[in-house]
Amino acid sequence: DIQMTQSPSSVSASVGDTVTITCRASQAVKNYLNWFQRKPGKAPKSLIYGAFNLQNGVPSRFSGSGSGTDFTLTIRSLQPEDSGFYYCQQYTDFPLTFGGGTKVEI
Amino acid sequence: EVQLVESGGGLVQPGGSLRVSCAASGFSFSDYFMDWVRQTPGKGLEWVGRSKSKAKSYRTEYAASVRGRFIISRDASGNTVYLQMNGLRTEDTALYHCVRASLDAAGIWYLDLWGRGTLVTVSS
Repeated sequence: DIQMTQSPSSVSASVGDTVTITCRASQAVKNYLNWFQRKPGKAPKSLIYGAFNLQNGVPSRFSGSGSGTDFTLTIRSLQPEDSGFYYCQQYTDFPLTFGGGTKVEI
Repeated sequence: EVQLVESGGGLVQPGGSLRVSCAASGFSFSDYFMDWVRQTPGKGLEWVGRSKSKAKSYRTEYAASVRGRFIISRDASGNTVYLQMNGLRTEDTALYHCVRASLDAAGIWYLDLWGRGTLVTVSS
């Protein structure tokens, strides 16, 4: 199975800051990499697919980059509603696998 | 509204069975792959399995941890996907999410729409 490692596991930042989350795959996943956001009691929300493609309706302050084994999710101009957990997920091979998550506190 | 709503979770004894459901609305259900993903505090997020689209004959794939015990099926007329769980173990305790997969420009299916989940607890 492809292991996905995220860092940091948690981050605390202020409104207006820029937050960067990294995700490393144990083997190359091309750019078949998702990022999504999870908030307690709500359905997880897809943010980015294909490493850098923004899902419809997701604010442009979210961006993704990377290819192969190393990927980054950047949240610019952090807003209070951006608090929650963020996960990466590869879909180049089965089983689909997820990173351990990053908690973002505002 | 485009959404997925899971139901049917509950408490079941080890070795027992349970079927959870996911009602889809707002999109052409038969054109999409439908997955199940579970979430636990200890193991995080784990992919459980997939039902492919009607064009792919609704073929299924499963994670090794559930293969032979869990079955994914669809009621296409009712826009519902099911997860039948047999031989349940305490380690199957989790929040079970139904997830839609869409086709990207490269022809690869990626997870894009999640339900809130239904809680399954396996305990005596």
